Amino acid sequence: NAGVTQTPKFQVLKTGQSMTLQCAQDMNHEYMSWYRQDPGMGLRLIHYSVGAGITDQGEVPNGYNVSRSTTEDFPLRLLSAAPSQTSVYFCASSYSRDRSLEETQYFGPGTRLLVL
Amino acid sequence: RKEVEQDPGPFNVPEGATVAFNCTYSNSASQSFFWYRQDCRKEPKLLMSVYSSGNEDGRFTAQLNRASQYISLLIRDSKLSDSATYLCVVSRRTGFQKLVFGTGTRLLVSP
Repeated sequence: NAGVTQTPKFQVLKTGQSMTLQCAQDMNHEYMSWYRQDPGMGLRLIHYSVGAGITDQGEVPNGYNVSRSTTEDFPLRLLSAAPSQTSVYFCASSYSRDRSLEETQYFGPGTRLLVL
Repeated sequence: RKEVEQDPGPFNVPEGATVAFNCTYSNSASQSFFWYRQDCRKEPKLLMSVYSSGNEDGRFTAQLNRASQYISLLIRDSKLSDSATYLCVVSRRTGFQKLVFGTGTRLLVSP
C-alpha cells in the first residue's frame, strides 16, 4: 500500500491564482481530512469528509473547497490564492471501526505552498 | 488561550537521559488523547495513544490526568533518533474524530 499520497510536493502561486492539491489513499479509509500547519499555530483542520459525497467544514475553511466523489480521493481547491494561504498542507485519512475513539490518522507527506 | 498548550522547547538532552514533556488542554469534553511525532519537514505520525490508566510502549510512557487536564510523555534512555517535535493531540468525538493539535515540543538529543 502507498498509504496517503499528496501532489504536488511544492508549489508557488501568484495571488489570485487557483489550484488543486491532490490527496489519495489506498487503505479504504472512510474518513479523510485536510490540515494546514503554520509556525506557532499547530495543525488546523480545514475540511473533512466522513465518506464519499459527504464533506464538512473544519476550523479554517475560508478560501478552500473540497469534494469527495470517491472513497480514495479528496482534493483541496484554492479558489483565489492569497499570501495568508502560504503554509504546509497535510491530508490525512482514518478508518472508522464502529466509531471507535481510537482511530489512527495517517498523514500524507504534505504540500508546501508559497503564495506571492 | 489555545485549546492545547505545550512548551515549545527545545529540550536539549544527552543520549541516555530521561526527558518528560507536559501538555495541558482546556476543553473538558475532550475524549481521546494522543502523542504524535513529527520529524523535520515530514508528516506527523502517531507515537502512542494516551489512556486514563497510563500506558507504556518500550522507552515511552504516557500519562493522562483528567482532573487537572494534562497529559505527559516520558522518554527514557533517549536516543539520537528521538530528536523530533512531539505533538500533543486531543479530540472530541462528534461523529468524526476532530483532532486539536498542540504546537509541539522540540526535542534535541545530542551524543
